[in-house]
Amino acid sequence: KNEVEQSPQNLTAQEGEFITINCSYSVGISALHWLQQHPGGGIVSLFMLSSGKKKHGRLIATINIQEKHSSLHITASHPRDSAVYICAVRSGSRDDKIIFGKGTRLHILP
Amino acid sequence: NAGVTQTPKFQVLKTGQSMTLQCAQDMNHEYMSWYRQDPGMGLRLIHYSVGAGITDQGEVPNGYNVSRSTTEDFPLRLLSAAPSQTSVYFCASGLAGTWNEQFFGPGTRLTVL
Repeated sequence: KNEVEQSPQNLTAQEGEFITINCSYSVGISALHWLQQHPGGGIVSLFMLSSGKKKHGRLIATINIQEKHSSLHITASHPRDSAVYICAVRSGSRDDKIIFGKGTRLHILP
Repeated sequence: NAGVTQTPKFQVLKTGQSMTLQCAQDMNHEYMSWYRQDPGMGLRLIHYSVGAGITDQGEVPNGYNVSRSTTEDFPLRLLSAAPSQTSVYFCASGLAGTWNEQFFGPGTRLTVL
């Protein structure tokens, strides 16, 4: 079983829809990251979370430490949001490793 | 600042050849890491380093060597390339510690024939 699971694997939606991508993890963590990978391949960091909620523009990320679950929401989705969204957790143990989910491929139709 | 740079962007090797993927960062980051990305697999950690002179293995280290002689550079060496090493390789860096953003290089697409 993967230590970081994302759902759904693929998501197609119409422009303007509210999008939710989920991430569940099974290890102790010190932080959780949400990343965006564009079709060209570049990877950028969207959020780092340890608790609660963060908002940046139309993006909102939440985390529930007790339930080992995080969600990434996109409000008023736009075709330029089309990308792969990756959840990654930073191990809370001494080895300080980062473990990635397999990503959610989002396609927003105009 | 150039951020995280990787060279080359593309490379084709024959089985058994060796090569080094270069990664450099100019942000004085202690933490550097190498990942490979394969279809359906997500990013997998190959090796990482928490500072100059310190390296450790990740999830898929076999067939790869690393060294960290300076803070800036973290090269990844393939000693004898195999077709199974065909992948896209990403280098990343960040400050050590828990809450620090990771910055990714643009990636190197490697094909081993």
